[in-house]
Amino acid sequence: AQTVTQSQPEMSVQEAETVTLSCTYDTSENNYYLFWYKQPPSRQMILVIRQEAYKQQNATENRFSVNFQKAAKSFSLKISDSQLGDTAMYFCAFNRPYRGNTPLVFGKGTRLSVIA
Amino acid sequence: EAGVVQSPRYKIIEKKQPVAFWCNPISGHNTLYWYRQNLGQGPELLIRYENEEAVDDSQLPKDRFSAERLKGVDSTLKIQPAELGDSAVYLCASSLASGTREQYFGPGTRLTVT
Repeated sequence: AQTVTQSQPEMSVQEAETVTLSCTYDTSENNYYLFWYKQPPSRQMILVIRQEAYKQQNATENRFSVNFQKAAKSFSLKISDSQLGDTAMYFCAFNRPYRGNTPLVFGKGTRLSVIA
Repeated sequence: EAGVVQSPRYKIIEKKQPVAFWCNPISGHNTLYWYRQNLGQGPELLIRYENEEAVDDSQLPKDRFSAERLKGVDSTLKIQPAELGDSAVYLCASSLASGTREQYFGPGTRLTVT
């Protein structure tokens, strides 16, 4: 079974600074996807960034980037130039789309607060 | 393009009462998921549909929970009778059967059982 671990229940960062959220996972699969989702107080789960395991290059989406270390099974999210609107719960998730539409396996989340 | 629609957004009921949640997925998405998110936790799958067929319901407490997806579009999740431990956010998501199979989530229904 796949598991996803987020070891930081809460984090805070000053506006305009950079913050890194950690995630580790466990799987015996070789092909899979990893995701970071953002869940603001409105509860809408929003995809932030996706990484395909077969790609060595780390994914980047504007101010968001990941550090994907496949051998270490580590998948951290870096948020640059943090903004007040980044305040939310962040969930790391795993899925195996090569085996069809499999469900996402989520970590417990990290609550990020951006401070003005 | 409209996103995943869920209703109601909030529901407060007394224990032992029935409750139902409704989900309308993104048009053309044949896969539909119901997740439950307990306070301070990540979502966990309850049931997954491929068109009208429930293909993964191993985590659904079948003694009190039921779900249906008529005509492979809208879906309803029901709890009868509700227990205090059912208080949670119920999230619906949908995806295509090909490509990246990215899952799109609705806003969820927050259920409070008193």
